[in-house]
Order: sequence, then C-alpha cells, then structure tokens
Amino acid sequence: AQSVTQPDIHITVSEGASLELRCNYSYGATPYLFWYVQSPGQGLQLLLKYFSGDTLVQGIKGFEAEFKRSQSSFNLRKPSVHWSDAAEYFCAVDPDDNYGQNFVFGPGTRLSVLP
Amino acid sequence: DTGVSQDPRHKITKRGQNVTFRCDPISEHNRLYWYRQTLGQGPEFLTYFQNEAQLEKSRLLSDRFSAERPKGSFSTLEIQRTEQGDSAMYLCASTPTRGYTFGSGTRLTVV
Repeated sequence: AQSVTQPDIHITVSEGASLELRCNYSYGATPYLFWYVQSPGQGLQLLLKYFSGDTLVQGIKGFEAEFKRSQSSFNLRKPSVHWSDAAEYFCAVDPDDNYGQNFVFGPGTRLSVLP
Repeated sequence: DTGVSQDPRHKITKRGQNVTFRCDPISEHNRLYWYRQTLGQGPEFLTYFQNEAQLEKSRLLSDRFSAERPKGSFSTLEIQRTEQGDSAMYLCASTPTRGYTFGSGTRLTVV
C-alpha cells in the first residue's frame, strides 16, 4: 500500500542549531513531493516541492529538502533554526500529479525550539 | 485577494445537530478541496471540485456529509446528524494546477 512516514513524532532543537526532519514514502515510482508547515490553529503553508530535476530543492524561510531516490526519502533541512520555526511539519506525496485523493500527507513532526 | 477564507473558525455543536461550513477559495483557482485533520494526524482528503463539478469523494465522506460548489465559486460542507467522531479541523484548499493554498480551517467540536 502507498504510504508516507515521518519517523519522528516530536523533535526539540535549540535556537541556532541545525535541523533535519525525515520523510520516507512507499510508491512504485517517484511521486511529486512536498513539505508543508502548520502553526497552531492555522492552515498549512507550502514550504517547498519537488517535481523533477535538481534533487536539492530550496524553499521559503531558509528551508531546503533533498530527494534521494535510492532511499525513497525527502528530508527537510535548515542550517539554523529560529524560534518562529516551532510548528508542525508535514511531508506529502502525490503519485500522479492529480491533486486528488491520492495526495497523501504524512502524520507530521512537531518541532519545538528551545531559546 | 488575501487567500483562502473559511468560516466559521470554530464551531461547537451538540451531537445530532447539522452544521455547515463555508470556504471561499482564491478567485482564479478552479480547483477546491476539502480535508479533515484530527489531532496529531495529517490532513485526510474528503472531496474535490473542478469548478462546480465534484470530481472525487473519499470513502471518509459518509452519507451524512455533503459538499457543494455552486457556480464554481465558494463551497459549503454540510454534516448532518453530527457525531462525536466528527470532531476535527476541516480544511479547505484551492489550486490552479499545482500547489495547494490552504485556509485556516474550521475547528468542529461535537459535544
């Protein structure tokens, strides 16, 4: 069955430290890949997306993600975390670029930032 | 246009009552989606409109749920005879082709 996993339910980092959030997917072919961020009580905001080409994708707010086909992974990174980055982060995949019911979100990783 | 708007932000209702939520997408976006998000989970797809046509419905969308998008503009999601299990955040999103823009959601609490 198709699935998206985010192995870390909750991560805590200190402000200024680097960050990596993990995402793995299980699909037959390379899907379209996304990272979204959700602040408490808010909707989701798109951070970045990968469709094809360069496997290192730059997004907003200083985030980047790297697609690794061999590992079926699309990990999100940031070199220096700010307190305002504390939020819930969701990896999502769309296997057929249809934005329909096959567009699947992972369970999310909650990021806490220590001052 | 400031984005996708959802109304109300919060709704508390008694079990068995009907509720209706509204979503106003970005005006030039022809696709509109409804998602449901429960605590600690990612959003789950409910249904999707291309203009006024409802093209896909999830198995999650029981007979008590109905969605409309008259004239391809705003959309409504109605839940009839609410149950406690309906308590969740209901998110609306729109897109022209790729890349959702989400609203802030309507949080439903069924007591």
